[in-house]
Formats: sequence, C-alpha cells, structure tokens
Amino acid sequence: EVQLLESGGGLVQPGGSLRLSCAASGFTFSNYAINWVRQAPGKGLEWVSAISSSGFSTYYADSVKGRFTVSRDNSKNTLFLQMNNLRAEDTALYYCAKEEEEFQLLLISDYWGQGTLVTVSS
Amino acid sequence: QSVLTQPPSASGTPGQRVTISCSGSSSNVGSNTVSWYLQLPGTAPKLLIYSNNQRPSGVPDRFSGSKSGTSASLAISGLHSEDEADYYCAAWDDSLNGVFGGGTKLTVL
Repeated sequence: EVQLLESGGGLVQPGGSLRLSCAASGFTFSNYAINWVRQAPGKGLEWVSAISSSGFSTYYADSVKGRFTVSRDNSKNTLFLQMNNLRAEDTALYYCAKEEEEFQLLLISDYWGQGTLVTVSS
Repeated sequence: QSVLTQPPSASGTPGQRVTISCSGSSSNVGSNTVSWYLQLPGTAPKLLIYSNNQRPSGVPDRFSGSKSGTSASLAISGLHSEDEADYYCAAWDDSLNGVFGGGTKLTVL
C-alpha cells in the first residue's frame, strides 16, 4: 500500500526556518518525481515545488524560489523541503504528492500524504 | 490569483449533469495534459481525471474530462449528493512550474 507521511510542521516566527519531511513507502521511491503542494487555510491548492526521481532536477514556484529547497534521499525513501526566511503568507497545510507515472513530472499526483501544518506567526 | 481559471462555484440537483471549466494558456493547458482533483472537507485531494480524459481505477465513469485548445472541462453526470466537494484542475507549465486552478465548490441542491 502506497503511503506518504509528512512531518516537521509547526509554529515558527517570521524569518525563521523549518524542514519538512515526507516518508514514503509501498512503491519504488527512486522511480517517481514528487511534488510539494500547499493549501492556506480556507484557500485553494498551490503548487510549491517538485523534484525529479533522481533528485537532479528541482523546480520551484516563484513565491518560494530562493527561500525553499527541495531534496530527497532515495536510500531512505524520504523527501525534504527546507524552508527558510518564512513569511506569514507561507502559512498552510503542506502536502507531498507522488507522480502517477514513473520518471514523469506532469503534476499528475495519484497519492497524497495527509499534510503537515506550517504556521508562520509572531 | 491562480494561473488556471475556474468558476468559484457550481451547483446541480441529484441526477443532473454539471460541467466545470478550466481556462489556461498555450504554455500550460495548451501544451500539457490536464488533471482534475476532488477534495472533500478536511481531506487530501484525490486524483479524478488525468491526461485530459483518463480515469484512475475506482473513479466512476460518471466523471469525464475533455480538453480543447487552452481550455478543459470536467463533467459529472448523474449527480450524487456525495459529489459535493471542491474540484481543482491542474497542469504542468512550460516555464517549469506546476499550476492549479482556483477551485470550484460544487453544491448538490
């Protein structure tokens, strides 16, 4: 059974940092690109970042470019999102979402985690 | 403001057919496939349609998708009360970004 489990969320002050993790199981992790998608309270979905199956290619929304870094450890089936210089507008539920097909990146995500909540507030 | 444009709301009565539109541009909907997601309150999104018109296993054939040019549509026929949810379209953009629509809240009257 495919499972994605995010962790690392919490309350942080503006300008602070957090590192989110996404532990994956039930599929060949190293064959799939993964997306990070967030949802602010009461708002819609926003794509944040993505990483290729190998980890060599990374992609970011303009809103987080230069502040967030996505990475993965294929030996540990884990995805990370390092978030620096956090702002109030980064407050959201952060989901990791697996691509549907191996070695593709088309924002077709067939499995999602339950999300981890990040709150940026003083 | 979302890159893909969806109506904020839609409604229908049980048994009715409803459609939700998704408008993009030549760099996203026009050149890449469109996916649709359903989100029930308090839950993670669920893939409903991918590659414009393909249904994952387990998704009823009441749900169908189509695309023409820079616009896509999700159709739900034989509306059920449990279809009441938020619906999002999504696509990859040639500028190497993922993009979502703003979401459509479907109400079953």
